[in-house]
Amino acid sequence: DAGVIQSPRHEVTEMGQEVTLRCKPISGHNSLFWYRQTMMRGLELLIYFNNNVPIDDSGMPEDRFSAKMPNASFSTLKIQPSEPRDSAVYFCASSFPSGRAEDTQYFGPGTRLTVL
Amino acid sequence: AQKITQTQPGMFVQEKEAVTLDCTYDTSDPSYGLFWYKQPSSGEMIFLIYQGSYDQQNATEGRYSLNFQKARKSANLVISASQLGDSAMYFCAMREAREDSNYQLIWGAGTKLIIKP
Repeated sequence: DAGVIQSPRHEVTEMGQEVTLRCKPISGHNSLFWYRQTMMRGLELLIYFNNNVPIDDSGMPEDRFSAKMPNASFSTLKIQPSEPRDSAVYFCASSFPSGRAEDTQYFGPGTRLTVL
Repeated sequence: AQKITQTQPGMFVQEKEAVTLDCTYDTSDPSYGLFWYKQPSSGEMIFLIYQGSYDQQNATEGRYSLNFQKARKSANLVISASQLGDSAMYFCAMREAREDSNYQLIWGAGTKLIIKP
């Protein structure tokens, strides 16, 4: 079975440019999470969706960040305009409450974003 | 207050020895779950093992086992017969119910494990 798919795997952009990160969750999973990981702040939850509806976006740093989930198989995280401090690894994860190991989150490979 | 505490920022262990990575948690929710993830230097986050708060037995998955001591609120990961490939960051996380009846994962800061040949 395919795991969580993220694209691109690496993104280098210049300050001020728009960046769009993409995620395809595991088929059948109904929860999707966007995380950011940096050395300084560790793993931070940015936003999560349940059945395509945003449940908690309190971790989104500021208005420059936005996320959408137009359907059960696709989500985007957009940064506009990007800044050097946005440089990080962005993970997408998905989960489905399925009995014993409810809400186990399965992670994608991550997108390493560098903003120059 | 920290809800998930991993007290060992880093550990060095000789290959083939057993390793215990500490994790303590704090919650008032009677129903919760505990997870361990591995993050090798390549960056991916790999789910290792899960323990539910009502599980009577400690979880095991191959060389991984979870030493669950509910009264002490501790969920230590034990890796038997360590291998060089076990060198990685290890994260402990707790599933906790939210006020809106959804769940969230609370993450520890991680322990960097290095296996020496």
